[in-house]
Amino acid sequence: DAGITQSPRHKVTETGTPVTLRCHQTENHRYMYWYRQDPGHGLRLIHYSYGVKDTDKGEVSDGYSVSRSKTEDFLLTLESATSSQTSVYFCAISGSGASGSVVSYNEQFFGPGTRLTVL
Amino acid sequence: GIQVEQSPPDLILQEGANSTLRCNFSDSVNNLQWFHQNPWGQLINLFYIPSGTKQNGRLSATTVATERYSLLYISSSQTTDSGVYFCAVGASGAGSYQLTFGKGTKLSVIP
Repeated sequence: DAGITQSPRHKVTETGTPVTLRCHQTENHRYMYWYRQDPGHGLRLIHYSYGVKDTDKGEVSDGYSVSRSKTEDFLLTLESATSSQTSVYFCAISGSGASGSVVSYNEQFFGPGTRLTVL
Repeated sequence: GIQVEQSPPDLILQEGANSTLRCNFSDSVNNLQWFHQNPWGQLINLFYIPSGTKQNGRLSATTVATERYSLLYISSSQTTDSGVYFCAVGASGAGSYQLTFGKGTKLSVIP
């Protein structure tokens, strides 16, 4: 499973509140990603990181910010949650880790997901 | 951006049957992955296959990059094969590590 954990796994919050989701990896992978999954859309990229403090926007970045102050942690923040941000959020990693656990540098592996409900 | 189309969108199989899932993409890629999302929502890596053919047990995949399609073959299907199968591609060039997903093929295998 490439050592990826996400927290929390489930969260219910109210419109207008800030929310932070955490992705943690244990194998020193360079690249980290946040995707959201909605019915009928597959997964869509929100933001990604190519190193500590190096991040960039994906396809659906409006309303989200990210931070990566350590190699192992990638945080996704909803500054003021809206009902349209109700979704399942997946973190992913790529790039060979310290243990060489990823066969290809490009191949992405996904965490277990966080189900977020905004009321 | 690159477009990814999967077919069929839904598939119902009797246990033991074979199936072929297709993924078409609109531009050159240097990354193509097949995933299985099980009924619990977990995304499982099946193949990393930007070109060529690979096999893993009852599953195999072929990507013909020059013609911009990939096929996933499932033989002797089992009920545990049920779920959604996603194709995801990374376009060649800058930002090629970003994946664009198709909408998936929902497979139901009935006993």
